[in-house]
Amino acid sequence: GQQLNQSPQSMFIQEGEDVSMNCTSSSIFNTWLWYKQDPGEGPVLLIALYKAGELTSNGRLTAQFGITRKDSFLNISASIPSDVGIYFCAGHNYGQNFVFGPGTRLSVLP
Amino acid sequence: NAGVMQNPRHLVRRRGQEARLRCSPMKGHSHVYWYRQLPEEGLKFMVYLQKENIIDESGMPKERFSAEFPKEGPSILRIQQVVRGDSAAYFCASSPTIYNSPLHFGNGTRLTVT
Repeated sequence: GQQLNQSPQSMFIQEGEDVSMNCTSSSIFNTWLWYKQDPGEGPVLLIALYKAGELTSNGRLTAQFGITRKDSFLNISASIPSDVGIYFCAGHNYGQNFVFGPGTRLSVLP
Repeated sequence: NAGVMQNPRHLVRRRGQEARLRCSPMKGHSHVYWYRQLPEEGLKFMVYLQKENIIDESGMPKERFSAEFPKEGPSILRIQQVVRGDSAAYFCASSPTIYNSPLHFGNGTRLTVT
């Protein structure tokens, strides 16, 4: 079946640093989604990408839909303590199920 | 402006009892998905339903687990004769019938089997 890989698995950064994480697949997707999960809560949608090459921002977050349609990237600028959490990517093709990556765990040190 | 509502938030069951988890999708959403998450792990797909239909249950264990999404009322994930290994967070997500619409998640039900 389809699988997504996320890297890094976890990262520890200093407050104020920029963060980059990515998601790769052996399959092509028509939609890429990025979610953040806080402890004890459900995943919250951050950014949705619908077109190869698309670059979309949401505040300090920027995500890109890879040109090959097999990957996506998420960047967070000037990290703050509330950025702590697990970031999941998901790929989707119409009529098929959503496929989720294993997550990147972000810790922000003051 | 209610989001996806799941209840209960926490559920404790003894081994052998039944667990019923409820999910009310966002208004206007007719697709429901159930995921399971173990501590420190990712989201594992269980089942995808539309009103009165199971579309994909490839992630659901063949025994003891069942799901429904009736014409009226919430979607129900039912686990019969629970065992300790069923302890996990169960998340429901919904989406509308629009091409490539993203999933919106509830805050989950945390099931503990003692």
